[in-house]
Amino acid sequence: LAKTTQPISMDSYEGQEVNITCSHNNIATNDYITWYQQFPSQGPRFIIQGYKTKVTNEVASLFIPADRKSSTLSLPRVSLSDTAVYYCLVGDGFTGGGNKLTFGTGTQLKVEL
Amino acid sequence: DAGVIQSPRHEVTEMGQEVTLRCKPISGHNSLFWYRQTMMRGLELLIYFNNNVPIDDSGMPEDRFSAKMPNASFSTLKIQPSEPRDSAVYFCASSRRTGEVGEQYFGPGTRLTVT
Repeated sequence: LAKTTQPISMDSYEGQEVNITCSHNNIATNDYITWYQQFPSQGPRFIIQGYKTKVTNEVASLFIPADRKSSTLSLPRVSLSDTAVYYCLVGDGFTGGGNKLTFGTGTQLKVEL
Repeated sequence: DAGVIQSPRHEVTEMGQEVTLRCKPISGHNSLFWYRQTMMRGLELLIYFNNNVPIDDSGMPEDRFSAKMPNASFSTLKIQPSEPRDSAVYFCASSRRTGEVGEQYFGPGTRLTVT
């Protein structure tokens, strides 16, 4: 299993940029890095996925250094509605040879006015 | 698209009873996952199917748990007999298989309480 380490919690204010870093030292060659968001009483929701370098979509950016042993989810200008738990997953899911997808403990992000 | 559908949304049962959770994945998705979430253990993958075939069931806690996927549009997770420690939220998720890790779409979950 690819063990991931994230901060347990983070606090921020509306309009700020939030960066959540995840460590995954035993990432395998076939593994992808995926981030999910979960609100209370809901299932997780996909945010972004990457393999290396930088990936950006309409809601977030994902920065992955060359050694891939860590990754950083960047949320630009957060709002109150971004208060949620954010999970970092590392694995290849199906193809074999890599790590099985595993949700870690997640990071509870709290955004205040 | 209706998304992943799970039923029931809430289930309360007594210890020793059989519990069956149901899931309808998104049409066209080839992979289906069952997860369990508790405060103590977080979100755990129990089993996943690809093209209706169980690929990895190493997360199934014990023989009391079983999962089936008789066709591409339906899956069940059964607990027999149920125990209080099985109380959790059970999520079903589906994804398209793209040959790499794909985006998983989660259902609303079934909150199971075993008394």
